[in-house]
Order: sequence, then C-alpha cells, then structure tokens
Amino acid sequence: DARVTQTPRDKVTEMGQEVTMRCQPILGHNTVFWYRQTMMQGLELLAYFRNRAPLDDSGMPKDRFSAEMPDATLATLKIQPSEPRDSAVYFCASGPLGPNTEAFFGQGTRLTVV
Amino acid sequence: EDQVTQSPEALRLQEGESSSLNCSYTVSGLRGLFWYRQDPGKGPEFLFTLYSAGEEKEKERLKATLTKKESFLHITAPKPEDSATYLCAVLDNFNKFYFGSGTKLNVKP
Repeated sequence: DARVTQTPRDKVTEMGQEVTMRCQPILGHNTVFWYRQTMMQGLELLAYFRNRAPLDDSGMPKDRFSAEMPDATLATLKIQPSEPRDSAVYFCASGPLGPNTEAFFGQGTRLTVV
Repeated sequence: EDQVTQSPEALRLQEGESSSLNCSYTVSGLRGLFWYRQDPGKGPEFLFTLYSAGEEKEKERLKATLTKKESFLHITAPKPEDSATYLCAVLDNFNKFYFGSGTKLNVKP
C-alpha cells in the first residue's frame, strides 16, 4: 500500500529551536510538495520540487525556512529559528507526473512552537 | 491579482439532497484545476484534475465540471460519508498554485 510517510507526526518545540520535518514520497513519484495548514490561513503551498529540483518556493519565508531533497526518497523541511506563528500542520504530498496532475498527501506533522 | 474563491463556505444537506459547490478563479493561464476532499485530522485526498473548459470528470456521486471562469463539484444523492471539506486549487502557466479556502459539507442522515 503506497503512501507518503511523514515524520514526526507531532512536534512540540520551544521558540528559537530548529525543527526538521521529513517526508518519504511514494516510490517513483517525481514531484514533491510541502504545504502548511492553519485555521486562519487554510492550506498554503510552501514549495514544490520536480525531479528533486525546486520549481517554486515563493510561499516559503526564506529567512527561516528551507526545503531540500537530498535524494529521491527523502524530502526535508527545516525551520530555524522556529517561532510561535509557525505552529501549524505541515503536509507533504507527492505526485507521479508533474505538478499539474494528481498528488497524494501524507498524514501531516503537527508542529507546536511554544 | 490571481485568486481562487470557493462558495459557499459551508453547506448542510439532507441525505439524498443533491447540490453543487462552486470554485471561481482568475489566473494567468490555467494549467490545471484540482479538487480535493479533506476529512478532519487528515491530509487532503485527491479527487479530480480538470484541464480545459468543457471537461467533466465523475467519481461515484461526484462530478466536476470546468468553464473558463469556474468549476463546479456536483454531488448527487449525497450520503453522510460525503461530509468533509472540499478544496479547490488551480495551477497557472507560471507554475504557481492558488488554493481556495474550502467548502465544509455536512450531510445529515
């Protein structure tokens, strides 16, 4: 049963600490997305990659956020330093044929910054 | 400015009462329009992608249609298990995604 796997599922951290979220896309998918969801803002696209190269990261605060794909089986989203306003659910999704086709979402990482 | 607007924000239906959700958009060239379903505490679930005006796609009780300005998600004879938030998103020619704020559907037995 192919699925997108995100770790950790929940993370509580103190303001100023570094946070790393990981995503294992579905094997063979060439497009990976990072989203953030809050009650106030809804679902926001932070960045996405095709064939491990960033296609768009304009939704991501560059001063503290970074997204990478060290290899085809791992995508990471880092926040350094974290702030309370970063508290949200972060979703990773992957797709098989590029950004204009279907994408499959992971269960999300719920981040709380205190 | 490019944007996506979904309406209504919330919709309550009786089981079997058909209705439609709307997604209107203004973008610089449409590469794709997406519909997702999201249950509480879970990630969105892909439903449909539409690419050009006049296109229609169906899945069980759901049917998505697309015009040059908007998309409709028609729900025929809904069941309580169709209760969820339905999200619309568009991808423009500059590879930028825009999301609507969703329609929360509640189907009562």
